[in-house]
This record gives sequence, structure tokens and C-alpha cells, in this order.
Amino acid sequence: DAGVIQSPRHEVTEMGQEVTLRCKPISGHDYLFWYRQTMMRGLELLIYFNNNVPIDDSGMPEDRFSAKMPNASFSTLKIQPSEPRDSAVYFCASSTRDRENYEAFFGQGTRLTVV
Amino acid sequence: GQQVMQIPQYQHVQEGEDFTTYCNSSTTLSNIQWYKQRPGGHPVFLIQLVKSGEVKKQKRLTFQFGEAKKNSSLHITATQTTDVGTYFCAGKYGNKLVFGAGTILRVKS
Repeated sequence: DAGVIQSPRHEVTEMGQEVTLRCKPISGHDYLFWYRQTMMRGLELLIYFNNNVPIDDSGMPEDRFSAKMPNASFSTLKIQPSEPRDSAVYFCASSTRDRENYEAFFGQGTRLTVV
Repeated sequence: GQQVMQIPQYQHVQEGEDFTTYCNSSTTLSNIQWYKQRPGGHPVFLIQLVKSGEVKKQKRLTFQFGEAKKNSSLHITATQTTDVGTYFCAGKYGNKLVFGAGTILRVKS
């Protein structure tokens, strides 16, 4: 398996623009997590899905952020409108209870810069 | 809410010295996981601890889980330059994985 695939790897956008980050989890994994990483706040859990259903979105900063998982192989995180303080590395991770450790496998991340 | 505190934030050691990072949760954890993130990379799973008082070893790395399942530590013996990176603990609260702030390790050769 190619692992968790995120796109794009880098995104530079202007304040006010819509940004969409994409994630393809590992095939067969039934949990998907979106994290945001900054120097100030570390790795923050934004939202996670189980079997494509959002379970906990309490980490989503505000209404400008939304996430969807239309099927088991694809998820998006959308920011509209984007602001400079949204600049961060966004990671997607997937996992499954079928593994003994139920560990999270992370994608390479999307580095977002909002200018 | 669920929160995992991790210290120290940063440690710079001479190659060959030992290194320890500590994690603490205000509430009991289902289990705790440890990850390593190399500079510019993504977090990679190292190990999971489940049982109260559990100790696990991976070569020079020793992981401990507290008796009350609220704290954990990672100890590296005789650090090497390949150990550089950020070490995260992640507490399991149900199905939710909450990461500590991480400890950045730098090793001087």
C-alpha cells in the first residue's frame, strides 16, 4: 500500500480564498483523522471520522473549517475564507482496529501558507 | 477536556548522553502511544502501552506507563545523531488520539 496520500504537498494562497486539502487513507482503514501542526499549538486534532461518519469535530477552530468524507477512500478539509493564522501543516492520518496497536498512519502533510 | 502535557519542550544533548521525555494526563488513559517526527517529516508510530505499569524496550529506547495510567515516559540511552527529531506521546481517550506538545531532541556530535 502507498500509505496515506495527501495533496497538495504545498499550498500558498491569498487571504480570503478557499482552500481544499485532500486525503486518501490506507485501504481498509476505517478511521480517518485530520490534524493541524503549528509551532505554537503543536499537533491539534481537528476532526475524526469512523466509517465515513464524523464522530468528533470539537477541534475544528470555527465555521470557516469544514471536513467531509464522501466515501471510504477520500476526505477533504476545506477552509473558506482562509486567513493568515490558518498557516500550518495539515496532516491526515488513518487507522484501523484490526491492527494490534491501532496506531495512526500519517500522510506527508500539506504545508499551507496564507498570505 | 482531554489534554496531554509533555515536558521538556526542548532538549539538546551531547551524543552518548541519555534523554528522557515525560507525559502526563489529567484523566486515565485507555492506552498511550509514542511517535517520532523527523525534521520536515510526519509522525511515525513507535510503540503502544496498554497495561498499568507496563515497560517496553526497543533497543536503546525504554517506554513506561504509569500505574495509574495517567503518565508515561520515554528514555533513550546513549543518544545518537540518528535520534534527532520530535518525540510525541499520544493519549487514547476512547477512539480519540490526543497528542502532547512534543519534545524536540537535538544531539551534538
